[in-house]
Amino acid sequence: EADIYQTPRYLVIGTGKKITLECSQTMGHDKMYWYQQDPGMELHLIHYSYGVNSTEKGDLSSESTVSRIRTEHFPLTLESARPSHTSQYLCASSEYEGWSGYTFGSGTRLTVV
Amino acid sequence: DQQVKQNSPSLSVQEGRISILNCDYTNSMFDYFLWYKKYPAEGPTFLISISSIKDKNEDGRFTVFLNKSAKHLSLHIVPSQPGDSAVYFCAASGQETYKYIFGTGTRLKVLA
Repeated sequence: EADIYQTPRYLVIGTGKKITLECSQTMGHDKMYWYQQDPGMELHLIHYSYGVNSTEKGDLSSESTVSRIRTEHFPLTLESARPSHTSQYLCASSEYEGWSGYTFGSGTRLTVV
Repeated sequence: DQQVKQNSPSLSVQEGRISILNCDYTNSMFDYFLWYKKYPAEGPTFLISISSIKDKNEDGRFTVFLNKSAKHLSLHIVPSQPGDSAVYFCAASGQETYKYIFGTGTRLKVLA
């Protein structure tokens, strides 16, 4: 049973639309992350949060924004979707100790047409 | 420049044999290393980890080896099973950061 949930699983949307990808976790983890992955490529960190009201940009520049108003919720928003945003978006969370690893959600595969 | 490299994009192994997946890294400050397994249309699932104070960690059929001097780690799966067919990612992190850097993955196919 998944402890971190992402919705929607798949999304096809037109250029210029605003979208929000949802991510929620029930484990009480302080740290949450958004990764972007194109097929055959590595996962790139685009946003992370170490707690409520804490958000930082990751190593890969992204036009998306995030918010962390509640511990369990870490949504990602694209104000104006473009075809270059087509990708898989993976949300993850982790406990305090760095080497305990992440728990990933199932991902959202976004296609912008 | 990629800090974590998986130079073999794919690997095919017969069922029952050993699968060896390799990963190289460039940053000597990395202290924690993880392996994840990913099935299509699913998120990665944590498989096994190793910290830099160890050179080996075992969990059932999975063993990870770390060679710090060579900046190389490998995942051994023995015996390989068809259900192990997936994409395997290695990831590395420094001691004071909880941000992991991932490799590009190796697609393992275990042939029945």
